[in-house]
Amino acid sequence: AAGVIQSPRHLIKEKRETATLKCYPIPRHDTVYWYQQGPGQDPQFLISFYEKMQSDKGSIPDRFSAQQFSDYHSELNMSSLELGDSALYFCASSSERQLDEQFFGPGTRLTVL
Amino acid sequence: RKEVEQDPGPFNVPEGATVAFNCTYSNSASQSFFWYRQDCRKEPKLLMSVYSSGNEDGRFTAQLNRASQYISLLIRDSKLSDSATYLCVVNEPNSGYSTLTFGKGTMLLVSP
Repeated sequence: AAGVIQSPRHLIKEKRETATLKCYPIPRHDTVYWYQQGPGQDPQFLISFYEKMQSDKGSIPDRFSAQQFSDYHSELNMSSLELGDSALYFCASSSERQLDEQFFGPGTRLTVL
Repeated sequence: RKEVEQDPGPFNVPEGATVAFNCTYSNSASQSFFWYRQDCRKEPKLLMSVYSSGNEDGRFTAQLNRASQYISLLIRDSKLSDSATYLCVVNEPNSGYSTLTFGKGTMLLVSP
């Protein structure tokens, strides 16, 4: 079965640079969620989108923004990167029929030097 | 206080053992509960959803006690492949949308 696709899988940036992470949800899933997982930490919810509109906002820094496009894929844009932004960034998707069950992508490992 | 609390672990058990993980949550309005499994450097994978009074899936049994705001996961006949971190996850209702709150996870190490 098709899963959530994330790209790139690994990304190395320097401080103050920008990064864009992409997420392609499971086909027919209309809701996308972004999570940040620091080393040794649990995943922290950043932001979610339903039908291309922001549906909820968690601990996303003002330096980050995200959007969902007409084909339901989503992008997380990160600017003025800081060392503390180094983490695994997961995207998850769910369908309207089973909103609670979120399926996670393999994640993007971001390293900020 | 974290909204979802789990046993700190790690749990070291031999193959074939039965192991139980506990989890408590603080938001009494939470509606849905899950156990996710996460292998090192991999994504969380849904292991079980826990609804009403709990459910069973093969060697895994999840229980929910709404009055005590307590969730448990029981693994019987542990396999080496069960070694992973088990995350207790709770839905935080918010205007009809679904936000998941994760516990810090309990690491399980199954040895031969």
